[in-house]
Amino acid sequence: AQKVTQAQTEISVVEKEDVTLDCVYETRDTTYYLFWYKQPPSGELVFLIRRNSFDEQNEISGRYSWNFQKSTSSFNFTITASQVVDSAVYFCALSEIQGAQKLVFGQGTRLTINP
Amino acid sequence: DVKVTQSSRYLVKRTGEKVFLECVQDMDHENMFWYRQDPGLGLRLIYFSYDVKMKEKGDIPEGYSVSREKKERFSLILESASTNQTSMYLCASRDRDYNNEQFFGPGTRLTVL
Repeated sequence: AQKVTQAQTEISVVEKEDVTLDCVYETRDTTYYLFWYKQPPSGELVFLIRRNSFDEQNEISGRYSWNFQKSTSSFNFTITASQVVDSAVYFCALSEIQGAQKLVFGQGTRLTINP
Repeated sequence: DVKVTQSSRYLVKRTGEKVFLECVQDMDHENMFWYRQDPGLGLRLIYFSYDVKMKEKGDIPEGYSVSREKKERFSLILESASTNQTSMYLCASRDRDYNNEQFFGPGTRLTVL
């Protein structure tokens, strides 16, 4: 069975600090997708990134970066120079590559950026 | 832009009532999903649909049913609402193409009294 664990329930930092959100997953599949979604106070989940298990290259997008390590089954997300607008609940998720690609979500990490 | 809409943002029902949650997407997506979100549990899949009239159970289908009579609409039905079904319900859709992510609606916060 697939499982995603986000051990950090809540994180609070001061604006401009860097912050890393941890994600550890379990799957028996040899190929899979990993995702990060952001849920701002408005409630709608916003897609941030999808990573194919074939590709272990780290990715950077502006202040956001993702570190995928297959050897430790981790897909961590770092925000550099955090801003108040980054405050949200962040979800890591895993899906199969075939079929409907059902998502298995972690518990979520509530990130609060204080001014 | 893909748009997934849900019929209500907030809903209050009484125990035993039949409840319909509606979801509509405007991008001709084949796959649609219903999740519920609870604190500390993340999102859990209730049901999903591959296409019109096709449905499959997710991880927590008990107490729920679904209907997909038209491609753009996916309804979640609580036959007899119970207090433990108080939750946030999120609908999502995606194109069958492997490279597409799921797009989510704004959610319906359901309270069952």
